[in-house]
Amino acid sequence: QKEVEQNSGPLSVPEGAIASLNCTYSDRGSQSFFWYRQYSGKSPELIMSIYSNGDKEDGRFTAQLNKASQYVSLLIRDSQPSDSATYLCAVNPDPGGGADGLTFGKGTHLIIQP
Amino acid sequence: EAQVTQNPRYLITVTGKKLTVTCSQNMNHEYMSWYRQDPGLGLRQIYYSMNVEVTDKGDVPEGYKVSRKEKRNFPLILESPSPNQTSLYFCASSLWGQGAGNTIYFGEGSWLTVV
Repeated sequence: QKEVEQNSGPLSVPEGAIASLNCTYSDRGSQSFFWYRQYSGKSPELIMSIYSNGDKEDGRFTAQLNKASQYVSLLIRDSQPSDSATYLCAVNPDPGGGADGLTFGKGTHLIIQP
Repeated sequence: EAQVTQNPRYLITVTGKKLTVTCSQNMNHEYMSWYRQDPGLGLRQIYYSMNVEVTDKGDVPEGYKVSRKEKRNFPLILESPSPNQTSLYFCASSLWGQGAGNTIYFGEGSWLTVV
């Protein structure tokens, strides 16, 4: 059984600070890793994908992957109230990362305090 | 505009009354999936399809059926809905073969309540 674990939160972070979200996964063969943001009642929105060990930066977001330790994290710099949402970690054993084999974590609820 | 369209968006139905949630995508994607999302349980895959006439079970297929007669459509069928199928449902699609960077597109979700 493939498992993706996240702390459900809520994680409360002051505006302007760095929010750090973590995720661990059980399937050592996982190849593709994703972070989705989901506002309440809305569909998930892809914000970051990462496939190789190390860091990947995109604007205020940085994804970090460590396959040996089986964890992936998301850093959000200069946190804004609009970043308040649930963040879903998702992994896929398929290097193409298609829709068929994606396993989601339960999500971390992030609250940015003005 | 790239879209995954689900209908209905909101539905209240009674136990045992068959219903279908439609899903259509306009991106010529091979892969389509259905997920359900429940509080505390996250997103769980119900069924997926790799192409026309090719479907397979996800993690929670019991009580659901799907079909893929056309590439663009992937309806979710509840033959005899029960209250434990009350949930938020998402359809998703993606294009196979792009390698790294393959984007999954989600529909807006369908809120289903079975009473």
